[in-house]
Amino acid sequence: KAGVTQTPRYLIKTRGQQVTLSCSPISGHRSVSWYQQTPGQGLQFLFEYFSETQRNKGNFPGRFSGRQFSNSRSEMNVSTLELGDSALYLCASSYLQGGIGYTFGSGTRLTVV
Amino acid sequence: AQSVTQLDSHVSVSEGTPVLLRCNYSSSYSPSLFWYVQHPNKGLQLLLKYTSAATLVKGINGFEAEFKKSETSFHLTKPSAHMSDAAEYFCVVSGPPEDTGRRALTFGSGTRLQVQP
Repeated sequence: KAGVTQTPRYLIKTRGQQVTLSCSPISGHRSVSWYQQTPGQGLQFLFEYFSETQRNKGNFPGRFSGRQFSNSRSEMNVSTLELGDSALYLCASSYLQGGIGYTFGSGTRLTVV
Repeated sequence: AQSVTQLDSHVSVSEGTPVLLRCNYSSSYSPSLFWYVQHPNKGLQLLLKYTSAATLVKGINGFEAEFKKSETSFHLTKPSAHMSDAAEYFCVVSGPPEDTGRRALTFGSGTRLQVQP
């Protein structure tokens, strides 16, 4: 079966702009989590959605937001981009809320210039 | 709070020799522990997971890890390294699924494994 699909794979944006990233989970998976990966901070949890509701949130500013649709697809939005937002953004899906064994997508690499 | 420490940022081994990647965790409850691998420009792949069943966990590609509560360790091993094992490895801790505040994955800083021919 298809894995977790993230689009786009690469993105270049200018400071101050906003960006929306998309994640389609494995069919049947209802939980979607987002992580940010940078060389300096490593992998950090952004938020988790389950049944269209945000269930858990990491320690990121309000510029980072997300949502989940009824088909479990999720989007992540970053407004007023800063250079430090340049990162690999990874999405992970799981059947259960906070489920054991997440499956990760290949990520979206965002570069802010 | 939960945390995980990977004791080596880089490990270099020769092909055919054993691999040991070290991980210590800190948790105030019974954690779930994972090892993930990331190849260049790729996402994360789950190698194995511990969820309070058998303490010796076998994963994919010949990897295994042993949960030692007394030492708060979860080291990853493989008897014989292959060139294709060269990648970054992450030790990860998670809280109980029912605990909203703790079930997010907390990642270690990663260990880059080099395999020399």
